[in-house]
Amino acid sequence: GESVGLHLPTLSVQEGDNSIINCAYSNSASDYFIWYKQESGKGPQFIIDIRSNMDKRQGQRVTVLLNKTVKHLSLQIAATQPGDSAVYFCAEKGMNTGFQKLVFGTGTRLLVSP
Amino acid sequence: DTAVSQTPKYLVTQMGNDKSIKCEQNLGHDTMYWYKQDSKKFLKIMFSYNNKELIINETVPNRFSPKSPDKAHLNLHINSLELGDSAVYFCASSQALWQTSTDTQYFGPGTRLTVL
Repeated sequence: GESVGLHLPTLSVQEGDNSIINCAYSNSASDYFIWYKQESGKGPQFIIDIRSNMDKRQGQRVTVLLNKTVKHLSLQIAATQPGDSAVYFCAEKGMNTGFQKLVFGTGTRLLVSP
Repeated sequence: DTAVSQTPKYLVTQMGNDKSIKCEQNLGHDTMYWYKQDSKKFLKIMFSYNNKELIINETVPNRFSPKSPDKAHLNLHINSLELGDSAVYFCASSQALWQTSTDTQYFGPGTRLTVL
């Protein structure tokens, strides 16, 4: 069945460090992946996405890497700031009777210390 | 301007009661969703509607009944509430639902439901 999981439930870093959040997925047919950030008391917020025909995509301070061989996804945050503290979810686009649905991973909590 | 809004933000109720959560999006999107987030932060899709038509129903108990009066609104009615229904419910919307679409889903702020 479809599943998306994360290796580390909590990641603690110092302000200014680079953070790497990892995600493993099991559906090799998934063709689209998204990272969401969820701050306390708020809904998930889109950060960055990547299609399966790409290995890497960069945004502002964030980079997503996709390794289809081992079905692994990572989110790199450069110069992590206290405002980056949140739970981060990876999600993959799966299929359901021809329509897409997002399957979310279990989430990683990022704690940034000043 | 709030893109996806939900009411209420918090809902505390007794077992057996019936309650509704409302969702509205002003993004002009065709597709809306309901997700449930449990105490371990796991997010799982419950329903999706495209242009008022039910598209995805993820084996949710029939005590849960979504209703879409128009494509900007998707409400969730829950009958005979149970303790296990306690969770945060998120509404989301996206432009399209189709197989090849990579449209982003935009989430509302969530409704925290507590069943006592």
